Amino acid sequence: GEDVEQSLFLSVREGDSSVINCTYTDSSSTYLYWYKQEPGAGLQLLTYIFSNMDMKQDQRLTVLLNKKDKHLSLRIADTQTGDSAIYFCADLTGGFKTIFGAGTRLFVKA
Amino acid sequence: DSGVTQTPKHLITATGQRVTLRCSPRSGDLSVYWYQQSLDQGLQFLIQYYNGEERAKGNILERFSAQQFPDLHSELNLSSLELGDSALYFCASSVAPISGNTIYFGEGSWLTVV
Repeated sequence: GEDVEQSLFLSVREGDSSVINCTYTDSSSTYLYWYKQEPGAGLQLLTYIFSNMDMKQDQRLTVLLNKKDKHLSLRIADTQTGDSAIYFCADLTGGFKTIFGAGTRLFVKA
Repeated sequence: DSGVTQTPKHLITATGQRVTLRCSPRSGDLSVYWYQQSLDQGLQFLIQYYNGEERAKGNILERFSAQQFPDLHSELNLSSLELGDSALYFCASSVAPISGNTIYFGEGSWLTVV
């Protein structure tokens, strides 16, 4: 079935760039998303990319999509302590289900 | 505030019991989703409704059921509860079932089964 995989942890220093990676299996994905979950809160959409795009930039966020390898990444430039959170990759599949990865916990060291 | 309202925020109940989690979607959103987030299994898609009809089904146990009412609010019923059902249950909504934009999440209902 459809699956989305992410590494569980990432630790970076404040001011560095963070790159969170995700792989998915569905061949009919239409949209791919990045969500952020802060402690005690629900998920909030950060950004999304349509499957026919390679890249999308939104201020400090850059999303790269390699559709051939089914690989999605989120780059956060100039990472701040406020960026510490769990980041979820999600895939809107051809079967109209949104499948989430397990989430990558980002630790930002001051 | 996403506009998606979930109640109750916290719930503690005993094994074998039944609980109902309630969700009010954002105004204008026709599609409602339920997700379960646990430490060992991450975020699992349970079920999706669109305008009262079941649209997609994920890893929802037979002990669990859901429905979406004519006023578009939704309820997730969890019965014969087990310790392993302890988790954070999220409701989310979107305008359409295949919206390319945003699924808005509520803040979740924490269920603890003791």
